[in-house]
Amino acid sequence: DSGVTQTPKHLITATGQRVTLRCSPRSGDLSVYWYQQSLDQGLQFLIQYYNGEERAKGNILERFSAQQFPDLHSELNLSSLELGDSALYFCASSPRTSFSSYEQYFGPGTRLTVT
Amino acid sequence: AQKITQTQPGMFVQEKEAVTLDCTYDTSDPSYGLFWYKQPSSGEMIFLIYQGSYDQQNATEGRYSLNFQKARKSANLVISASQLGDSAMYFCAMREGGRTGGFKTIFGAGTRLFVKA
Repeated sequence: DSGVTQTPKHLITATGQRVTLRCSPRSGDLSVYWYQQSLDQGLQFLIQYYNGEERAKGNILERFSAQQFPDLHSELNLSSLELGDSALYFCASSPRTSFSSYEQYFGPGTRLTVT
Repeated sequence: AQKITQTQPGMFVQEKEAVTLDCTYDTSDPSYGLFWYKQPSSGEMIFLIYQGSYDQQNATEGRYSLNFQKARKSANLVISASQLGDSAMYFCAMREGGRTGGFKTIFGAGTRLFVKA
């Protein structure tokens, strides 16, 4: 158990809908990362937050947004869902935003299925 | 552009033997970090080993070692004495960044390792 929690574990929704994925980092970790893992795109970095501020952006669609709250939990909002958004979404946390911070602890993921 | 290439979609290894999983990368940034992660069938991502671009020695973590050849831009993972529990997907990843205080990590396509009894 990495100490990172993600809810829900599974989510099934229809095209055009909006969903929110939630992540609670390990206690004391200030940095949160979101990743998407799909069969066709592989593992992709979406976005990083550090202590409430966006710090790095990857291949995140405009239909997706994220935020990190004062209690450090983070939410990833996915809207106008398409079939291709079906994927496993991982959250990871680390104590700080450090270049050599390999202590990036992954949550168990949320599996999103868009029908 | 940043890129990570894992050319072996699947690999077989006999239990107790060593296996090398290949990874090449491309970056113009002199500062970067290289990582290997394991993803068992259960789906979780497990950190295995890290190598910094300025590290002089190859990283080792138990049965895992990283064969870092900077001039060739390769960062191969060596697993010694393979165990049945090593059967999983293995991802090579590279982290760059720092200009805005943030770090992007890009992943290779992965190599699925099968350990035979």
